[in-house]
Amino acid sequence: GDSVTQMEGPVTLSEEAFLTINCTYTATGYPSLFWYVQYPGEGLQLLLKATKADDKGSNKGFEATYRKETTSFHLEKGSVQVSDSAVYFCALSEGGSYIPTFGRGTSLIVHP
Amino acid sequence: NAGVTQTPKFQVLKTGQSMTLQCAQDMNHNSMYWYRQDPGMGLRLIYYSASEGTTDKGEVPNGYNVSRLNKREFSLRLESAAPSQTSVYFCATTGASYEQYFGPGTRLTVT
Repeated sequence: GDSVTQMEGPVTLSEEAFLTINCTYTATGYPSLFWYVQYPGEGLQLLLKATKADDKGSNKGFEATYRKETTSFHLEKGSVQVSDSAVYFCALSEGGSYIPTFGRGTSLIVHP
Repeated sequence: NAGVTQTPKFQVLKTGQSMTLQCAQDMNHNSMYWYRQDPGMGLRLIYYSASEGTTDKGEVPNGYNVSRLNKREFSLRLESAAPSQTSVYFCATTGASYEQYFGPGTRLTVT
């Protein structure tokens, strides 16, 4: 079956540091890929998505590129802020399946 | 538009009590889902409804029942609550590009 593997957290950074959160996946077909963010006490929110190979999703300074050859969708941001502290989830959905697959989540803590 | 709404936000139950968690969406989406989130366990799918009139079990359905009341509403019922059901429960829908939209969650404690 499908699976999503994310790097373990927490990831702890200083403000303005560069962020990378690794995500790799296995899928039987050609999935759409997503990053969601969960702030404390809230539900998950869609951060960005990519629907086919080589697509780059971007939002709020975050970016991720759909790499079919390495089955990866790493999340990056050039300069993190304290307000980016949250849990980040990588996920995939395959057309024809109603059930998405989520990674376990990676906690990001940004210090001033 | 409110998106996905859930009630209640918080609930404390005693073991053996029953309750229903409510979810409603105004996004005109066909698919709706119930997840639970526990520390270190990520999100686990309890039940889902691909469309009005259908429901299917997810990864952890034991101890729960669901009702897809209409296209907008999808409820989750705990018939006899157990401490193992202490968790945060999220309702979600799926959009046209397979992205999910989540409600704010219900934080349930069973004592």
